[in-house]
Formats: sequence, structure tokens, C-alpha cells
Amino acid sequence: DAEITQSPRHKITETGRQVTLACHQTWNHNNMFWYRQDLGHGLRLIHYSYGVHDTNKGEVSDGYSVSRSNTEDLPLTLESAASSQTSVYFCASSGGRSGFDEQFFGPGTRLTVL
Amino acid sequence: KNQVEQSPQSLIILEGKNCTLQCNYTVSPFSNLRWYKQDTGRGPVSLTIMTFSENTKSNGRYTATLDADTKQSSLHITASQLSDSASYICVVSALNAGNMLTFGGGTRLMVKP
Repeated sequence: DAEITQSPRHKITETGRQVTLACHQTWNHNNMFWYRQDLGHGLRLIHYSYGVHDTNKGEVSDGYSVSRSNTEDLPLTLESAASSQTSVYFCASSGGRSGFDEQFFGPGTRLTVL
Repeated sequence: KNQVEQSPQSLIILEGKNCTLQCNYTVSPFSNLRWYKQDTGRGPVSLTIMTFSENTKSNGRYTATLDADTKQSSLHITASQLSDSASYICVVSALNAGNMLTFGGGTRLMVKP
């Protein structure tokens, strides 16, 4: 069955370190998204991609970057981790660009920045 | 600014009871509204999607309603089960916004035996 996976599931790092969170989907979807989920907030969009070599900034992109070298993967990099980036991160993918196209979410990565 | 507000923030009910979760939105122009269920430690999973012309949609024991005039939606859970314990997230999409979604903060439901 097609799926979307994230790794690691849990990560603890120190302030200032570079961290990369992996996202891999086997749906063959062109569209991939990264969100963060914090208490008191709905999911907020960090970056998204509509295809290979395409990346776009979302609502809360500062301090994050992504690259898309193939259809299946969209890694999220925190260039210099900050305590404010402690959060749960979700990757999602969809087959189309319409709001009617369901986004399928990965299981999430809980990141703690000390 | 597009916003989605959900109430209550949390809710505890006894197994077998019914409950209703509320969602108010200011997203405009409206395209569709989804309810997602998010189990602890998992990603959200879509339960229902509703468009402007739909008032009610059911998925098993879950029934969503939409009043596009008042910009309100509700999710009714009938005969709750322990497995219904989760967060329920209301998500609204605007016309011409593509994949861009506005998420509510969610209602955390706990069903107790």
C-alpha cells in the first residue's frame, strides 16, 4: 500500500545545530508539504513543493529550508535550530493542487531543541 | 485574515454518549470544509469533506453539518467509543487558493469507559 513516512519520529538536538527531517511518500504525488503543530495553534505551513526542483515558502518559513530532488522525498532542514522550533512536524502529500484534493499526512516528527 | 475557530478546546464524555464539536470560520471565498481525526502520535486523517451546497454528510457514526450562511460547521459523534478519543480538526479551503488550507486548533476528545 502507498504510504507517507517520516524519520526520525523523535529527535532531541541542541540550539545552533543543523537538523534534517526526512519525508518519503510512495503515492507518486507531485505535491508535498511541511507543517508544524504547536499547542494553541492549528497546523501551520512551513514550505511546500509542487514537483521536482520546485519549492515555495509557507506561512512560517523563516529558519527552515527544503529541497526536492525527486518525487518521493522532501527533506526539511533547520539551518540553525532554535528553541522556538521545538514542535511536532508533519509532512503531507496530495495528488492535485485543488483544495478538494485530500492531503495525506505522515505520522509526524517530535523535535525538541534544548 | 482567514481563521478557523473550534470549540470546545477539550471534551470528556462517557462511552456510548453523543457529542457535538463546533467550528466557525471566516475563510472567504469558501470552497470546502474537512473534518480530520488525529489520533495521539499520528497524523490527521480525513473524515468528511463538504462543499458550499452540502448541508450534511455522514461517515459511519460521524455526521458533519455545514451552514455556509453563518459560516459554521459541526461534527456530531453518535454512540461514542473509546477509539473516538482523539483530536478533531476543522480545515477550510478557499476558492482559488489551491492546496492552501486554514486549520483550526482542534478539539481534544476523551471518551471514558
